[in-house]
Amino acid sequence: SYELTQPPSVSVSPGQTARITCSGDALPKKYAYWYQQKSGQAPVLVIYEDSKRPSGIPERFSGSSSGTMATLTISGAQVEDEADYYCYSTDSSGLRVFGGGTKLTVL
Amino acid sequence: EVQLVESGGGLVQPGGSLRLSCAASGFTFSSYAMSWVRQAPGKGLEWVSAISGSGGSTYYADSVKGRFTISRDNSKNTLYLQMNSLRAEDTAVYYCAKDRAPYYMDVWGKGTTVTVSS
Repeated sequence: SYELTQPPSVSVSPGQTARITCSGDALPKKYAYWYQQKSGQAPVLVIYEDSKRPSGIPERFSGSSSGTMATLTISGAQVEDEADYYCYSTDSSGLRVFGGGTKLTVL
Repeated sequence: EVQLVESGGGLVQPGGSLRLSCAASGFTFSSYAMSWVRQAPGKGLEWVSAISGSGGSTYYADSVKGRFTISRDNSKNTLYLQMNSLRAEDTAVYYCAKDRAPYYMDVWGKGTTVTVSS
């Protein structure tokens, strides 16, 4: 079965740049998406189609993808950005998969 | 404003059944595919099932294939998930989500909790 691999945790100080990676064999041909989930809340889409930002998402959130790795970058991370972040994509057959999630700590 | 409100969760014994509903508003329901995604306690997100806008095409994760059935009533703007032969590992918060092409979820409901336990 297809897997997307994320680091379990990333920690930064406020104002620093946080980078969360997601690796998967199909990413060269499939888009990556990123969801933010704060404690006790539903997920929120923060990046779609590798690098596009939905309306209402702060400009400090950006995404990129190269080869088998996609990256979510939070430039100047804020305390309110502390959350779990999940990458999402599909494999060559259209199977939908989430990464295991990365807990971002900002302190 | 797009709104998705799930209901129907609860406590059920192993082997039992439950039907979840998701009431949609704020968009043309029949024009969009819809998905169910679940999250077990303390775990990550798991896509469960999806259905096309017409209801003519359905898709399932291997973990629920043959036990869960997704359906929709476009006249009622409502999505359903019929869950049979429930197992302890089906315990989770179940979210419904609006799909966008190509195959991602852009808006999520707040979820409903399903607990499978004797």
